[in-house]
Amino acid sequence: EDKVVQSPLSLVVHEGDTVTLNCSYEVTNFRSLLWYKQEKKAPTFLFMLTSSGIEKKSGRLSSILDKKELFSILNITATQTGDSAIYLCAVDTSGTYKYIFGTGTRLKVLA
Amino acid sequence: NAGVTQTPKFQVLKTGQSMTLQCAQDMNHEYMSWYRQDPGMGLRLIHYSVGAGITDQGEVPNGYNVSRSTTEDFPLRLLSAAPSQTSVYFCASTKHSGAPGANVLTFGAGSRLTVL
Repeated sequence: EDKVVQSPLSLVVHEGDTVTLNCSYEVTNFRSLLWYKQEKKAPTFLFMLTSSGIEKKSGRLSSILDKKELFSILNITATQTGDSAIYLCAVDTSGTYKYIFGTGTRLKVLA
Repeated sequence: NAGVTQTPKFQVLKTGQSMTLQCAQDMNHEYMSWYRQDPGMGLRLIHYSVGAGITDQGEVPNGYNVSRSTTEDFPLRLLSAAPSQTSVYFCASTKHSGAPGANVLTFGAGSRLTVL
């Protein structure tokens, strides 16, 4: 059965800290891995990763994929209170048209 | 450009009532899907469609029906609501072609449903 596992489930840090969120997966026919940020409403897209070892970066956020070890990490440096959210990882599997989501990591950044 | 529009935003039902959650997108996306989000469970796929006239089941389809008569609309029907269907529902769509970046899901704002 295809599955995506995120860790930790929740995390509390102080402003300025650096955090690393983990996403591991076991799926057949991997096509891409996507990261989303969910604040109060709809998930918003952060990154899509398809190739191993190529870092995607946007401001203080970055992400990388390891297709050999079947995991991805999302790094946030110099955290701010506005980074408080649920971070979701999803895997897109080719051929089945199904996106499999992890349970998410709830991040809280304290001022 | 409205993106993905869901209605209603909130709904309270009694057990056994029926209702339809509406989802419309104006991005000419072939792929549309419905998820439910429950605490600690992440997003679970209910039903999805890869084009007009084509639908298929996801991980948790029981108690829900869908149809796709147009590219733009993908309604989710609850025929006889149960308290276990209390959840937040998200509609999401994507082009889902082979082009780079074409499989990024765009989400609607969500519909919070409570079944008493």
